[in-house]
Amino acid sequence: AQSVTQLDSQVPVFEEAPVELRCNYSSSVSVYLFWYVQYPNQGLQLLLKYLSGSTLVKGINGFEAEFNKSQTSFHLRKPSVHISDTAEYFCAVSDRSGATNKLIFGTGTLLAVQP
Amino acid sequence: NAGVMQNPRHLVRRRGQEARLRCSPMKGHSHVYWYRQLPEEGLKFMVYLQKENIIDESGMPKERFSAEFPKEGPSILRIQQVVRGDSAAYFCASSPYLRDTGFAFFGQGTRLTVV
Repeated sequence: AQSVTQLDSQVPVFEEAPVELRCNYSSSVSVYLFWYVQYPNQGLQLLLKYLSGSTLVKGINGFEAEFNKSQTSFHLRKPSVHISDTAEYFCAVSDRSGATNKLIFGTGTLLAVQP
Repeated sequence: NAGVMQNPRHLVRRRGQEARLRCSPMKGHSHVYWYRQLPEEGLKFMVYLQKENIIDESGMPKERFSAEFPKEGPSILRIQQVVRGDSAAYFCASSPYLRDTGFAFFGQGTRLTVV
């Protein structure tokens, strides 16, 4: 079984400042890792994913994340945020060898960008 | 290429009524997932279907909930005799199930309110 922990329920940050949203996971098997973004009253949009290869993954909207196997982490970063980045961010995993691609989500982190 | 389409976007039901949620996957996708997002929580997996088959329903409540994905037409999530605790956002995702991608495209969700 897998689980995902997003320790920060809310992260306030000023516009143009850097931000890091933390994600740790627990799994007895190898996993794929994902970050999704949810704008108010919208569905989820994939930001980036780690499947294999380079541990530094670049996604849309200037976001990137680094897979750290020893620390079982997949933190999301952006060097300079914009007001439009205000949204809920979800980290998720799926079993790499599973028969399904179902996702296990964290509880989400609200990124609140202030002017 | 239209995205995952869910309807209705908002649904209000009185306690004891039936709720029927529809999901049309992306063109070419034959794998559908349903997730539920309770207020202030992350998404929880409910069920995974392929055409005419339920593959994994480990997240479905044992009573009142059912899902189908017929050969023709959208996938349907049915909730019988709704209760206030069923109020949530229900998201559908579809995937072509390519093992090396492992991610799904989400619809905008149906927000169910039970009064």
